[in-house]
Amino acid sequence: QSVLTQPPSVSGAPGQTVTISCTGSSSNLGAGYDVHWYRQLPGTAPKLLIFNNNARPSGVPDRFSGSKSGTSASLAITGLQAEDEADYYCQSYDYMLSGSRVFGGGTKLTVL
Amino acid sequence: QVQLVQSGAEVRKPGASVKVSCKASGYSFSSHDIDWVRQAPGQGLEWMGWLNPKSGNTGYAQKFQGRVTMTRNTSISTVYMELRSLRSEDTAVYYCARGQGSPRQRWFDPWGQGTLVTVFS
Repeated sequence: QSVLTQPPSVSGAPGQTVTISCTGSSSNLGAGYDVHWYRQLPGTAPKLLIFNNNARPSGVPDRFSGSKSGTSASLAITGLQAEDEADYYCQSYDYMLSGSRVFGGGTKLTVL
Repeated sequence: QVQLVQSGAEVRKPGASVKVSCKASGYSFSSHDIDWVRQAPGQGLEWMGWLNPKSGNTGYAQKFQGRVTMTRNTSISTVYMELRSLRSEDTAVYYCARGQGSPRQRWFDPWGQGTLVTVFS
């Protein structure tokens, strides 16, 4: 069981918008710790997509956006493209776990 | 460019140890923590711990306490992760990643390419 909860899968057609949720608790997201998002293409290492809730590293298109409120966060992908098909992970910090960084269980995005 | 390059795949028997290396380049080695994250086949990401290259200080996830040791060699900008008493459940791809931000608002960028460790008898 992951400390941060994500839906196992989401799907959408090309051009559509999908959102991926990340639900935490009072010891992580609810305590004010930021959420970060990664994308992992099959057989490759994760890559940073969003940091500090809603900031995009250089090179990440503005089709990707993040938000956070209370104990929940979400990643939105607009104008869905075939190459967006990947696994997406949220990550934060949990003070109850001895200084642990924590990940969500991951969400598989399928582009129909 | 900033890059983390890891050592190659390893195969071990149960009870053995493995040591994976992660060589950093393209930035000041001492200026960023290095974290280790693993991913079992078909599973999600699991955080293992961090090392501060400047001080050598470390912090480990409770699950790995007593079984993992992270060290560094500053002269060659390399961090090591040693995992002992291996069992089949330790079969996974092990990633190193550069930490950014403050310790409690830490994110990871970039990541190494990953090292597959296979444990079987």
